[in-house]
Amino acid sequence: KAGVTQTPRYLIKTRGQQVTLSCSPISGHRSVSWYQQTPGQGLQFLFEYFSETQRNKGNFPGRFSGRQFSNSRSEMNVSTLELGDSALYLCASSLYPGARVNEQFFGPGTRLTVL
Amino acid sequence: TQLLEQSPQFLSIQEGENLTVYCNSSSVFSSLQWYRQEPGEGPVLLVTVVTGGEVKKLKRLTFQFGDARKDSSLHITAAQPGDTGLYLCAGTKPRDDKIIFGKGTRLHILP
Repeated sequence: KAGVTQTPRYLIKTRGQQVTLSCSPISGHRSVSWYQQTPGQGLQFLFEYFSETQRNKGNFPGRFSGRQFSNSRSEMNVSTLELGDSALYLCASSLYPGARVNEQFFGPGTRLTVL
Repeated sequence: TQLLEQSPQFLSIQEGENLTVYCNSSSVFSSLQWYRQEPGEGPVLLVTVVTGGEVKKLKRLTFQFGDARKDSSLHITAAQPGDTGLYLCAGTKPRDDKIIFGKGTRLHILP
C-alpha cells in the first residue's frame, strides 16, 4: 500500500504571497490532518478533515485554510505569507476520526521557506 | 500548558549504551503512540499502546504504558547510530478524538 504523499516537497516563497500544499492519504483512509512543525514549537495541529468537512481546528489565524475532496485528497492554503510561516508542513492520514486507537500515518512533509 | 511532557529534551550518548526517554501527563489517555522522525522527513509510527501496564517490544526498543495510562516510557538497549532522531509521543484522550503531541526527545547516538 502506498504511503501518504505530499507535494511539493520544498517551496520557497516571499512575504505576501500565497501557497497551496497537497496531500494524498493512504488508500482507504478518510481522515486527513495537517500540522505545522517548527524547531521552537514542535508539532502544532492546524486542522482535520473527514468526509470533506473540517472536524477540528487548531489555533491558527484565518490565513490558514484547507479543504478535502471526495477522494479524500486534501489541500491546505496559506495566504499573505509571513516570515514566521516558514516551517515543515506535515499531513497525516488515518482511517477515521474518533477511534479509541487513532493511529496517524504521516507524509514526508513540505518544507516551506518564506523570504 | 503542554499536556504531554517529554524528557529529556535532548540526549546524546555513545553507541552501545542503554537509555530511557519518558512521556508524562496528568491526564489519562485512551491510547498512546510513539513516533521517530528523521531530519526533513515525517514522523514514522513505531508503536501504539492501549492497555494500562502494557509492554511492547520492537527489537531493541521496549515501550511501556503506565498502569494509570497517564505516562509512557521508551527504553532502547545497546543504542546504535541508526536510532538517532526525534522521538515523539502522541496521545488520544477518552471521549475526545483530538491527538496531542509532546515536543519530543532529540536523541543522538555517537559512533
